[in-house]
Amino acid sequence: DADVTQTPRNRITKTGKRIMLECSQTKGHDRMYWYRQDPGLGLRLIYYSFDVKDINKGEISDGYSVSRQAQAKFSLSLESAIPNQTALYFCATSDPGLAGLTVSYNEQFFGPGTRLTVL
Amino acid sequence: AQSVSQHNHHVILSEAASLELGCNYSYGGTVNLFWYVQYPGQHLQLLLKYFSGDPLVKGIKGFEAEFIKSKFSFNLRKPSVQWSDTAEYFCAVSKGGGNKLTFGTGTQLKVEL
Repeated sequence: DADVTQTPRNRITKTGKRIMLECSQTKGHDRMYWYRQDPGLGLRLIYYSFDVKDINKGEISDGYSVSRQAQAKFSLSLESAIPNQTALYFCATSDPGLAGLTVSYNEQFFGPGTRLTVL
Repeated sequence: AQSVSQHNHHVILSEAASLELGCNYSYGGTVNLFWYVQYPGQHLQLLLKYFSGDPLVKGIKGFEAEFIKSKFSFNLRKPSVQWSDTAEYFCAVSKGGGNKLTFGTGTQLKVEL
């Protein structure tokens, strides 16, 4: 089974609709992230969460909100979708690890992505 | 704010050609550096990473990258590319001790037979 899963994988919606994208992970990581990918722009951070009670805005949070329901779940919502939110959305997780360890420190693990189209 | 520049947006190579993709970042402090690859229709996968130590880092599938601190660079190399290396490659940087990644805009690599 995949460690980081996203649902749905594809979604087409209309302007003004509320949309929720969900992310679940079985890696046991505390830190979770939402990115959007646009051609020619790379990945840009929308929101991130370092634990269940910690939510932070990324560089492009306007028009989005998130909910960290549990350590393993992090949802992204578009309250009123607009066409320029058409993009590929990725969830990622990481484990802060401990200084001196070579495994996982700052490395992020990505889900398969959700392709969202807003008409 | 830190930024990451990938100068080559599209690269087309023939099989067996050598590859070098440029990556420069703007942050002057301690950094952690990553290259991720995204094969067509797939999610991002880690190719290699640098945290400290030997500035020449070897990753999966024959890729390597060299951290040159004085040039703020972390270029990706492969001596002989294969058709299966066709993908988009992203350089990413985080501040040492931090956990937010800043991504470059990506380089689309196409390897022709």
